[in-house]
Amino acid sequence: DAGITQSPRYKITETGRQVTLMCHQTWSHSYMFWYRQDLGHGLRLIYYSAAADITDKGEVPDGYVVSRSKTENFPLTLESATRSQTSVYFCASSDGVSVTEAFFGQGTRLTVV
Amino acid sequence: AQSVTQLDSHVSVSEGTPVLLRCNYSSSYSPSLFWYVQHPNKGLQLLLKYTSAATLVKGINGFEAEFKKSETSFHLTKPSAHMSDAAEYFCVVSDRGYSTLTFGKGTMLLVSP
Repeated sequence: DAGITQSPRYKITETGRQVTLMCHQTWSHSYMFWYRQDLGHGLRLIYYSAAADITDKGEVPDGYVVSRSKTENFPLTLESATRSQTSVYFCASSDGVSVTEAFFGQGTRLTVV
Repeated sequence: AQSVTQLDSHVSVSEGTPVLLRCNYSSSYSPSLFWYVQHPNKGLQLLLKYTSAATLVKGINGFEAEFKKSETSFHLTKPSAHMSDAAEYFCVVSDRGYSTLTFGKGTMLLVSP
């Protein structure tokens, strides 16, 4: 199916564990993004990628790692999860040609206990 | 640097009455501006976008927004609210040539019968 998909949709993990959130898009968009959504903060950019093998930090990158070996995939890894990383995570993509809109996945609700 | 201020965290209206959600932006360049909507436990959907064409932008579901450069505003309006409009709305800015999006903190629209 065409679009952008995130997995898992829901995840509970323990403090200190490593967890990876997956994001896959079928449009061959050059840009991909990871945001976290928290009450009172809206969406905040964690990392973004302009192309395969090119990534850059956003507003709140600490504690997260990303990679982009293929254009269609952009996984987000929490190397050692903390309770403050409990959030809803959204992946998005855009073609970045004329600052078009970003298309969002359905989100991953992550709870760190 | 770019930023967005949504002036109301919550707006309550009655069904059939007009909707006004206020947004002010700050941008170093000519911005692109967007409104996204998020229904409960759903992803984000684009309502409308401004990219320096007409200053009055029409979107889906009867929403529209007017870009006012002198006031640095991009307020969202709808003539008559429907129960299905109840959701959270995000004003978003992106500088030209810079493909990351900066989100406002969101406005929750409550619609009563």
